[in-house]
Amino acid sequence: GAVVSQHPSRVICKSGTSVKIECRSLDFQATTMFWYRQFPKKSLMLMATSNEGSKATYEQGVEKDKFLINHASLTLSTLTVTSAHPEDSSFYICSARDRGTRDQPQHFGDGTRLSIL
Amino acid sequence: AQKITQTQPGMFVQEKEAVTLDCTYDTSDPSYGLFWYKQPSSGEMIFLIYQGSYDQQNATEGRYSLNFQKARKSANLVISASQLGDSAMYFCAMRGLNTGFQKLVFGTGTRLLVSP
Repeated sequence: GAVVSQHPSRVICKSGTSVKIECRSLDFQATTMFWYRQFPKKSLMLMATSNEGSKATYEQGVEKDKFLINHASLTLSTLTVTSAHPEDSSFYICSARDRGTRDQPQHFGDGTRLSIL
Repeated sequence: AQKITQTQPGMFVQEKEAVTLDCTYDTSDPSYGLFWYKQPSSGEMIFLIYQGSYDQQNATEGRYSLNFQKARKSANLVISASQLGDSAMYFCAMRGLNTGFQKLVFGTGTRLLVSP
C-alpha cells in the first residue's frame, strides 16, 4: 500500500533553532501534501496545503514566515519551523494522497514530536 | 463548509465484544467521502475504512464496518471482536469529492479503551 515517510520522528532543540521536517511519498506521486499540527489529546489541525511547484496555501492564523513549506518534487515536501520557541513544541504530521482517483484516502507519515527547550 | 462531530470523548469495551463509535457530519457537497483513522499512542495515523456518499453498500474491512446512514448524516464505525491492540484514538473525517483537491476535515476523536 501507499507509504509516506516522515523524518525525523523526534527533535529536541534549543530555542531559536530552525528545524526542518521532511515528508516523502515512497511509492506514489503526490502533487499535494498536507501538514498538520496536533496538540496533546486534541484533533489534527491543518496548517497548510503543499502544492508541488507552487506556493503553499496556509490556513487562517498560521504564520507562513514561521512555518516555511517547500514542495520541490512530486515525492518530497519539507516543513521548516524557523526560530523555534517553546510554544512551537507539538506533534507535526504530514499526509499525501496518490494523484490517482479522487476518493483515495490520504496516507500519513508517522509524525514528528518537536520539543523546544 | 464541512463539519464532523464525534460526541463520544471516550469509550470502553471488553475484549471480544463489538463497539460502535459515533460520527455525524454536515456538508453542502453533493458528493463526498468519509474516512476513519486510528491513532495509537505512538502517533501514526492509520487509515481504516472509506465510504463514498454514492456507495449503495456499507463499507467493510475485516473487523471494521461502517454503518452509513445518509439521510441521518451519520457514519458510525463498528469494530467487531475487539482486541487489546484496538485501544487508540479514532478519528472520523470527510472530504468533498466534487471539485478540486479538497481538504480532509477531522472530528475531535474518540478514545477507545479495550479491557481484558
